[in-house]
Amino acid sequence: AQSVTQLDSHVSVSEGTPVLLRCNYSSSYSPSLFWYVQHPNKGLQLLLKYTSAATLVKGINGFEAEFKKSETSFHLTKPSAHMSDAAEYFCVVSPNTGKLIFGQGTTLQVKP
Amino acid sequence: NAGVTQTPKFQVLKTGQSMTLQCAQDMNHEYMSWYRQDPGMGLRLIHYSVGAGITDQGEVPNGYNVSRSTTEDFPLRLLSAAPSQTSVYFCAVQGNTDTQYFGPGTRLTVL
Repeated sequence: AQSVTQLDSHVSVSEGTPVLLRCNYSSSYSPSLFWYVQHPNKGLQLLLKYTSAATLVKGINGFEAEFKKSETSFHLTKPSAHMSDAAEYFCVVSPNTGKLIFGQGTTLQVKP
Repeated sequence: NAGVTQTPKFQVLKTGQSMTLQCAQDMNHEYMSWYRQDPGMGLRLIHYSVGAGITDQGEVPNGYNVSRSTTEDFPLRLLSAAPSQTSVYFCAVQGNTDTQYFGPGTRLTVL
């Protein structure tokens, strides 16, 4: 069975410092992996996705994620946090076309 | 959230009442789905549809019905609302590149 584990429910960083949001997945084959962001009282926006092409995936707003098959990880990073990055982030695996399995979410707090 | 609309944005129901959450898309894509979002649990799949006339259950289907008579619309029905169905509901449409586009959500409270 496929599953996703986000290792931190809450991450706090200072503005201008790096961001690391951790995600491990479980899948019997190479899945599609996504990161979505949800700002307060808003819908979900796709940040980036991995679909077995390059292992380093660049997304919007300066975010990127690296697919590491040996570690079954897909961590999200950003070199320098901005106040507008404060939101909830979801790591998502898609084992079948159209079905998404969500992690529990990580709330990112950015302090001035 | 290109082309996915949901109505209403907010709804309060009493236990036992019924209602329909509407979802519509203008992207002409076949695959649509409904998720519910609860604190600390991410989003969970309720029902999905691979095209008009075809629906199937997701992870948490109990208490919900769906139908798909057109490509554009995918309504979610609560026949007898329960407090456990208090949640935020998102409709999603899958595009051509395996990416899902989410609607803005419906916040439902069942008293």
